[in-house]
Amino acid sequence: DVKVTQSSRYLVKRTGEKVFLECVQDMDHENMFWYRQDPGLGLRLIYFSYDVKMKEKGDIPEGYSVSREKKERFSLILESASTNQTSMYLCASSSPLGWGAFFGQGTRLTVV
Amino acid sequence: DAKTTQPPSMDCAEGRAANLPCNHSTISGNEYVYWYRQIHSQGPQYIIHGLKNNETNEMASLIITEDRKSSTLILPHATLRDTAVYYCIVSYRGKLIFGQGTELSVKP
Repeated sequence: DVKVTQSSRYLVKRTGEKVFLECVQDMDHENMFWYRQDPGLGLRLIYFSYDVKMKEKGDIPEGYSVSREKKERFSLILESASTNQTSMYLCASSSPLGWGAFFGQGTRLTVV
Repeated sequence: DAKTTQPPSMDCAEGRAANLPCNHSTISGNEYVYWYRQIHSQGPQYIIHGLKNNETNEMASLIITEDRKSSTLILPHATLRDTAVYYCIVSYRGKLIFGQGTELSVKP
């Protein structure tokens, strides 16, 4: 089975902290994505990557950066966490050949 | 912005077919139609996708109109476990932009 693994299921951080959310996939997928999901706003794309060291901004990149040094790993970085970044964060990976994406179980981040 | 329109909610009786519609009138020739679902507190789950032809797998069937401007996801025998939010997405190269989806409630 395809596995997309996010490093933490729950995370609590303080305002101003630098936060790393890690995602690893085992299907050799080229594409990887980070989304956040909030009640009433649905799933919103933060960043995506089509290949190692390549990244493109999604709909809401402000306050976030990403890193993809290896094909299997895609990291989301909150440079200085703020309370409005409290959310559920979801990572996904897919092949560009048209097949569906596979999602991790999510990281529920609370910034206090 | 999402390029699809779905009804916000639908009900279906257990054991009956659930037919979930989706409009994607601005779809371009190289964009696929994908369907995902999300059960509360879990990550979205891939169901099925198609380009032009109708598709079927163990979970569902996907019917795409000839002009590709709309599609229907069919769950042939809905169960209570199919209660979820269903998302229809059009995408090229796998980039997925989610809309609000359809909240399907399967009732006994």
